[in-house]
Amino acid sequence: DIQMTQSPSSLSASVGDRVTITCQASQDITNYLNWYQHKPGKAPKVLIYDASNLETGVPSRFTGSGSGTDFTFTISSLQPEDVATYYCQQSANLPLTFGGGTKVEIK
Amino acid sequence: QVQLVESGGGVVQPGRSLRLSCAASGFSFSTYAMHWVRQAPAKGLEWVAFISNDGSNKDYADSVKGRFTISRDKSTNTLYLQMNSLRVEDTAVYYCTKPGRVARPYDAFDIWGQGTMVTVSS
Repeated sequence: DIQMTQSPSSLSASVGDRVTITCQASQDITNYLNWYQHKPGKAPKVLIYDASNLETGVPSRFTGSGSGTDFTFTISSLQPEDVATYYCQQSANLPLTFGGGTKVEIK
Repeated sequence: QVQLVESGGGVVQPGRSLRLSCAASGFSFSTYAMHWVRQAPAKGLEWVAFISNDGSNKDYADSVKGRFTISRDKSTNTLYLQMNSLRVEDTAVYYCTKPGRVARPYDAFDIWGQGTMVTVSS
């Protein structure tokens, strides 16, 4: 199974700050890496697919990069509505696996 | 609009069974693979099961293999998860979800249901 290691597990930043989350796969997954936003009581929402592609309708302040085993997710200017838990997920092979999540809060 | 609506959750004793349903609408259900994903209380997301568009291929997380069965009915556009021999650690919100692209059965999940809560407790 492919293990996904995500860090940090939580962070607190000010509105307008740049926020970066990293995700490392235990083996090469080329670009089969997705990022989700999950707010309490709601369904997860895909933000980035295939490492760097912005899902339709998602604000451009969200970006993703990386390939192989190392990936980065960035919020260029943190907004109050971005408070959520973010997950990376590999879609290269079954079993599909998620990172442990990063809880993002406003300072 | 494209929609997934789960039902069937509830409180059940350990060792008992439960069947979840997911009604799909607004897209060509029979052309997409489908998945179940769950989130236990205060835990992260966990992929549970996969079924191909025609139902011929299925796979499960090790944590549920041999106890859960995924199936689908193209006549009613419904996805199912039969859960047997339930354990306390199966307590979670269960989501059905679809991959974004027909040709990629493991693609990023673009549509999710609202989730249905399963509580396994004596």
